[in-house]
Amino acid sequence: DVKVTQSSRYLVKRTGEKVFLECVQDMDHENMFWYRQDPGLGLRLIYFSYDVKMKEKGDIPEGYSVSREKKERFSLILESASTNQTSMYLCASRAGGGRGEKLFFGSGTQLSVL
Amino acid sequence: DAKTTQPNSMESNEEEPVHLPCNHSTISGTDYIHWYRQLPSQGPEYVIHGLTSNVNNRMASLAIAEDRKSSTLILHRATLRDAAVYYCILRVSNAGGTSYGKLTFGQGTILTVHP
Repeated sequence: DVKVTQSSRYLVKRTGEKVFLECVQDMDHENMFWYRQDPGLGLRLIYFSYDVKMKEKGDIPEGYSVSREKKERFSLILESASTNQTSMYLCASRAGGGRGEKLFFGSGTQLSVL
Repeated sequence: DAKTTQPNSMESNEEEPVHLPCNHSTISGTDYIHWYRQLPSQGPEYVIHGLTSNVNNRMASLAIAEDRKSSTLILHRATLRDAAVYYCILRVSNAGGTSYGKLTFGQGTILTVHP
């Protein structure tokens, strides 16, 4: 089975800190995604990447950036964390090129910004 | 983007069938209908997807209306492990007919299964 691993389950940071959330997948998937999940708002797409060094903005990219230097790794960066970025962050991956429809999700990182 | 509408919550008894409805009246001809579910403290997991025809897999069945404006996820025998939030999502294809798999999640339906 595909495994999508997020580096931390829980993370506590201070306002203004630079935060890196790491995601690694082990199935050679072309497409990777970052979502955030908030009560009452569901999952919202922040950024996605369809290839190494390629990225596209999702629905709520403000305050975030991403990095995809290697195919298996997709990083979400909060340049200067703010309290409104306290959320559950979910990474997902999917095969590209018509080889797959399924999104595979990690277990999530609960980020608290104090 | 086409939107989906689902009931906020539903309840079922264990070992009974469950029919989870989803309306997507603005669906376009190339939009796939996807269902995911999210168990407590986990990321969402894929359940099933389809385009026009009904689909079956080991987890569930997907019944798609003839006009494609609605669909129903069917769990044939609910178990306590099926208690989750179920998301009905449209996967939008871009003009070239390909997609990067962008899925827009709504609020989903909270399914409670009673013993």
